[in-house]
Amino acid sequence: DGGITQSPKYLFRKEGQNVTLSCEQNLNHDAMYWYRQDPGQGLRLIYYSQIVNDFQKGDIAEGYSVSREKKESFPLTVTSAQKNPTAFYLCASSILNSNQPQHFGDGTRLSIL
Amino acid sequence: GQQLNQSPQSMFIQEGEDVSMNCTSSSIFNTWLWYKQDPGEGPVLLIALYKAGELTSNGRLTAQFGITRKDSFLNISASIPSDVGIYFCAGLLTGTASKLTFGTGTRLQVTL
Repeated sequence: DGGITQSPKYLFRKEGQNVTLSCEQNLNHDAMYWYRQDPGQGLRLIYYSQIVNDFQKGDIAEGYSVSREKKESFPLTVTSAQKNPTAFYLCASSILNSNQPQHFGDGTRLSIL
Repeated sequence: GQQLNQSPQSMFIQEGEDVSMNCTSSSIFNTWLWYKQDPGEGPVLLIALYKAGELTSNGRLTAQFGITRKDSFLNISASIPSDVGIYFCAGLLTGTASKLTFGTGTRLQVTL
């Protein structure tokens, strides 16, 4: 089945710790995106990547980092600099520079221990 | 970043009733999308609209792309309990790295 896989489903972070969220897609999409969702709110863009080895900051990039070493993979690291990391994180992908919709993974819920 | 104005924020309706929600923007888009999100899951695409004035249906769902390109609405007819969830609109402007601008969401709850 083609799709986007996010792991883990639930993640806990200790104070001062970096954690990495995985996102893999087998849709052959060039563009990938990371969003943060807080309770009762919409989706806010953290980072996006249009091509391998290239990525750009979204609206709320502070305290996060990404890499894009392979087309299929776009991991997100929540660093210790992110002081309020508790949220639901969603990864998406799409065909680049088209009007085709983004497709989403099932999300990772990050909580603080 | 911009978020689209989506209304209502939440609604309680009875099973069998029709539902209407809308989304407005201060800027134009050339694609409007409607997604549904169930608790603890990612958004799933319901309807995509590509042309101003376009009216598209998907089962009991009907959506329209506003003629000004700055708004869209979604109607659900004869609601059922599994319609419960959060509905998001999203606008896309070609040439912006396919980035979406999302609405703030409409939370729908259906009572029997």
